[in-house]
Amino acid sequence: EVQLVESGGGLVQPGGSLRLSCAASGFTLSRYAMSWVRQAPGKDLEWVSSTNYLGTTTYYADSVKGRFTISRDNSKNILYLQMNGLRVEDTALYYCAKDHSSIDYSCFDSWGQGTLITVSS
Amino acid sequence: SYELTQPPSVSVSPGQAASITCSGDKLTNKYTSWYQQKPGQSPVLVIYQDNKRPSGITERISGSNSGNTATLTISGTQAVDEADYYCQAWDSGAAYVFGTGTKLTVL
Repeated sequence: EVQLVESGGGLVQPGGSLRLSCAASGFTLSRYAMSWVRQAPGKDLEWVSSTNYLGTTTYYADSVKGRFTISRDNSKNILYLQMNGLRVEDTALYYCAKDHSSIDYSCFDSWGQGTLITVSS
Repeated sequence: SYELTQPPSVSVSPGQAASITCSGDKLTNKYTSWYQQKPGQSPVLVIYQDNKRPSGITERISGSNSGNTATLTISGTQAVDEADYYCQAWDSGAAYVFGTGTKLTVL
C-alpha cells in the first residue's frame, strides 16, 4: 500500500523558513515524479512544485519560484520542500503527491494527509 | 499560463446524473484527470487519461474530453458523491494545472 507522510509544518513568521519532508513507502520512489500541492483554508488546490524521478528536473509555480526548492533523496525514500522567504499567502495545507505515470508527468494517484503551514506574525 | 475553468457549483437530485465541466484551450489535446475531495480529506483520483477509472472507483463515475471541454459525469448520484471536484491537466509550459473546483451538492 502506497503511503505518503508529510511532516515539518508549523507556525512561522513572515520571511521565515521551513523544510517539509514526505516519507514515502509501499512503492519505489525512484521510479516516479513527485510533487507538492497546497490548499489554503477554504480554497482550491494549487500545484506548487514537482521533480522528476531522479531529481534532475524541477518545476515551480510562479508564486513560489525563487523562494521554494524541491528535492528528493531516493535512497531514503524522502521528498523535501525547502521554503524560504515565507509570506502570509503561503499559509496552507501542503500535500505530497505521487505521479500516476512512471514515464512522464500525468496526474496524482496518491496523496499524503498534508502538513499545515501557517505564516503569521 | 494555462487555465482550467469549472463551474463553482452543481446541484443534483439523488438518483439523477450530474455533469461537471472543465474548460481549457484545446483541452482535448491534453489528458484530463479528476479528483474528488470531501471535507477534511485529501483529494482522491477518480478519473485519469480523460476516461479511465483507478481501481476501486465506482463505475457510476465516467469522464470524457472533446474540443475545449472535459466532462465528469456521475450517474445515479448518491449522497456519498457530495464533494468538491477538481479537474487537472499537464501543460508543458505550466506543469500541473488544476481547475477552479466545483462543489457538488446532492439535494
